[in-house]
Amino acid sequence: GENVEQHPSTLSVQEGDSAVIKCTYSDSASNYFPWYKQELGKRPQLIIDIRSNVGEKKDQRIAVTLNKTAKHFSLHITETQPEDSAVYFCAASPSSNFGNEKLTFGTGTRLTIIP
Amino acid sequence: DVKVTQSSRYLVKRTGEKVFLECVQDMDHENMFWYRQDPGLGLRLIYFSYDVKMKEKGDIPEGYSVSREKKERFSLILESASTNQTSMYLCASSQGLAGISYNEQFFGPGTRLTVL
Repeated sequence: GENVEQHPSTLSVQEGDSAVIKCTYSDSASNYFPWYKQELGKRPQLIIDIRSNVGEKKDQRIAVTLNKTAKHFSLHITETQPEDSAVYFCAASPSSNFGNEKLTFGTGTRLTIIP
Repeated sequence: DVKVTQSSRYLVKRTGEKVFLECVQDMDHENMFWYRQDPGLGLRLIYFSYDVKMKEKGDIPEGYSVSREKKERFSLILESASTNQTSMYLCASSQGLAGISYNEQFFGPGTRLTVL
């Protein structure tokens, strides 16, 4: 089955600086890579995702890059703000023609933004 | 707006008790999932269901069973609770439309279960 490794487990950055979280996956059949954000005491929520036919995707201060050859993908947050403090999870999934794909999650990164 | 609810936010049970955790979604989603979340281990899939009365094992099904009698409801059952099942349990659902891959998962608020 799929195995997703995520690094670092904790990350502290000064407000305004950039943060990068990296994930690697094992199954070459995986082609969907979402990122979920979980604020303290709240449920995980999707913040951005990327499909294997795209190398990079941006949404305001957040970007995700994918290197299928190396089997790794990364989350980049620029101009960090206090509300970016949360636990971030990467995940990987093979596609399914039946809509019943399941996600394999990484172990999470606790990001702390220092004011 | 998708809403996924779980029957309890906090639950305390004794070793050996049978425990039911319930999850309900109101968006007519096909797929439903049960995860447990432990520090340093991320979200691990216990069971999932892509149709009523259908279920598939996830990565850590041992000690758990599930039931999906109605489309909107997915129950996680601990037949005989043990202390190592103390954890945060998260339910999720996704649309699961055939021909549309990569369905976003929507999570419930979680149930923190303590087994004494």
